[in-house]
Amino acid sequence: AQSVTQLGSHVSVSEGALVLLRCNYSSSVPPYLFWYVQYPNQGLQLLLKYTSAATLVKGINGFEAEFKKSETSFHLTKPSAHMSDAAEYFCAVSESTSDYKLSFGAGTTVTVRA
Amino acid sequence: DSGVTQTPKHLITATGQRVTLRCSPRSGDLSVYWYQQSLDQGLQFLIQYYNGEERAKGNILERFSAQQFPDLHSELNLSSLELGDSALYFCASSSQGLSGNTIYFGEGSWLTVV
Repeated sequence: AQSVTQLGSHVSVSEGALVLLRCNYSSSVPPYLFWYVQYPNQGLQLLLKYTSAATLVKGINGFEAEFKKSETSFHLTKPSAHMSDAAEYFCAVSESTSDYKLSFGAGTTVTVRA
Repeated sequence: DSGVTQTPKHLITATGQRVTLRCSPRSGDLSVYWYQQSLDQGLQFLIQYYNGEERAKGNILERFSAQQFPDLHSELNLSSLELGDSALYFCASSSQGLSGNTIYFGEGSWLTVV
């Protein structure tokens, strides 16, 4: 069985500061891991995904995440927050290598202070 | 624009009623997924169809059903609606396989049951 835990339902950062969103997963097989962003009244947009290649994954909008098997973590970071980063972020896991039957975390809402 | 089209965008209906949500996947995508996002349950996978056939089931209630038609559009039917069914219902589509492909989410259909 697979599951995802996102630590912190709400994160507030200053513009220009580091953004760090935490995600830990539980999976019985090597997982595929994803980060999605949801802006208000919009669908989910893929930020990045880990599919057992490089453990440091670079995504869109300056985000990256590192897969750490020993810690069962896949934390998302961005060195310098921008006002446009204000959104809800979801970590997700899939044990399937062929389908997007995803298990999502509860989400972390990011607010950016000017 | 993800290329996934969902209708209607908003729907208000009474308890006990039945509604149908419609989804047109991205051109060429054979897989269609339905996800539910609610305050209580978060984002959860409901069901997947691949080229007209049911491929995977998640936490989909027996009152809910779906199908994918020969032109690959999909419908999610929700019946005997309860207040707790109020949620944002996402449709998503993808090509087969995770490594080289991405799942694209529509903007969702907001269902309010009163």
